[in-house]
Amino acid sequence: EVQLLESGGDLVQPGGSLRLSCAASGFTFSRYTMNWVRQAPGKGLDWVSTISDRGNGANTHYADSVKGRFTISRDDSESTLYLQMNSLRAEDTAVYYCVSRLAHHFDYWGQGALVTVSS
Amino acid sequence: EIVMTQTPLSSPVTLGQPASFSCRSSQNLVHSDGNTYLSWLHQRPGQPPRLLIYKISNRWSGVPDRFSGSGAGTDFTLKISRVEAEDVGVYYCMQATQFPWTFGQGTKVEIK
Repeated sequence: EVQLLESGGDLVQPGGSLRLSCAASGFTFSRYTMNWVRQAPGKGLDWVSTISDRGNGANTHYADSVKGRFTISRDDSESTLYLQMNSLRAEDTAVYYCVSRLAHHFDYWGQGALVTVSS
Repeated sequence: EIVMTQTPLSSPVTLGQPASFSCRSSQNLVHSDGNTYLSWLHQRPGQPPRLLIYKISNRWSGVPDRFSGSGAGTDFTLKISRVEAEDVGVYYCMQATQFPWTFGQGTKVEIK
């Protein structure tokens, strides 16, 4: 069974940093593209970042709103996806979902991690 | 950036009756590989989204056959043949043809 478990969500002050983790199980993590998608309170879905598998160069892509501040990475030996978030702003407040692309885009979702940016 | 526009934003539906939701993209969603990466997702209150339909019309694993997707190019539709109580929530279309990947605003479905 595919499982994605996010952790690391917290309350952080504006300008601060946070690292989210997503522990994957139930599939061969190293073979697949992974994503982060966020959802601000009461709002819709917002794609954040994507990292391809190492066989495809571990290429990364970012939404303009986070480019230069967020970094997506993966540790295939630990089957874990990361999102390093720096220079956090109030508008980054959201639930952050770890999402896989095993067979199709956005096919499996984690339960999400809440990030609150506030003083 | 490809803008995804969903209509209506809110849809009261009747149990047992059909329902239909529209999604329009600002650009043609045909990828250079020939596929159209238009998906539909469903989010129940308090739950993460789940994939319903991929590549316009293909039901994802475990999705009931009362759900169907259609369309081409820039215009797409999700239909529910007979609405059930568990179908409430928000339906999102999204495109993964071109970065940045983008979602529609969502259509909120409630039972009348």
